[in-house]
Amino acid sequence: NAGVTQTPKFRILKIGQSMTLQCTQDMNHNYMYWYRQDPGMGLKLIYYSVGAGITDKGEVPNGYNVSRSTTEDFPLRLELAAPSQTSVYFCASSYSLRGGRNNQPQHFGDGTRLSIL
Amino acid sequence: GQNIDQPTEMTATEGAIVQINCTYQTSGFNGLFWYQQHAGEAPTFLSYNVLDGLEEKGRFSSFLSRSKGYSYLLLKELQMKDSASYLCAVRGGGADGLTFGKGTHLIIQP
Repeated sequence: NAGVTQTPKFRILKIGQSMTLQCTQDMNHNYMYWYRQDPGMGLKLIYYSVGAGITDKGEVPNGYNVSRSTTEDFPLRLELAAPSQTSVYFCASSYSLRGGRNNQPQHFGDGTRLSIL
Repeated sequence: GQNIDQPTEMTATEGAIVQINCTYQTSGFNGLFWYQQHAGEAPTFLSYNVLDGLEEKGRFSSFLSRSKGYSYLLLKELQMKDSASYLCAVRGGGADGLTFGKGTHLIIQP
């Protein structure tokens, strides 16, 4: 099992460029998440999805978009890159029973290190 | 709002015991997680508490008091490979995403 796979691992963008961070999981998890982690700060939730076709905003969604056309894939789109979006981006997934007690941990990918110059 | 506090850095000696504390104030509570994160790597799951009390898993234990909004992670028989950041995270009452503390950087000295 590959778990959660993120590509690319590293990327440098110019201000105003766009790009898509890819995330795929092979664990048949229904929930998927995108976080960003800045130095000395905790992970912040950008967007999440509870299943194919359903997405919702997290704590810091501005400047990002997501889609969830399949259970496996949850790409994150930056339309107009800004220096404030320089960060490490982590994708995670988990299996959750909606409305039930959920003790399943989130499994994280290895991250994408993104620099905007 | 959500607020999670944990110490920024701690130092301990190989073979010893260390306790990392976490206090939280969140709107709703559906469980508290501890993750380990080595520098440049992804967070990996250590433990989960949703009821008051102690959960033990080998060298690692985690405690929760919901009335006090308090948890700790206890690491025994410390090894050099335990040098890492330890992240406290709370699952709130709404979305299933986690709210993370800033992490505690644990340094193990010989």
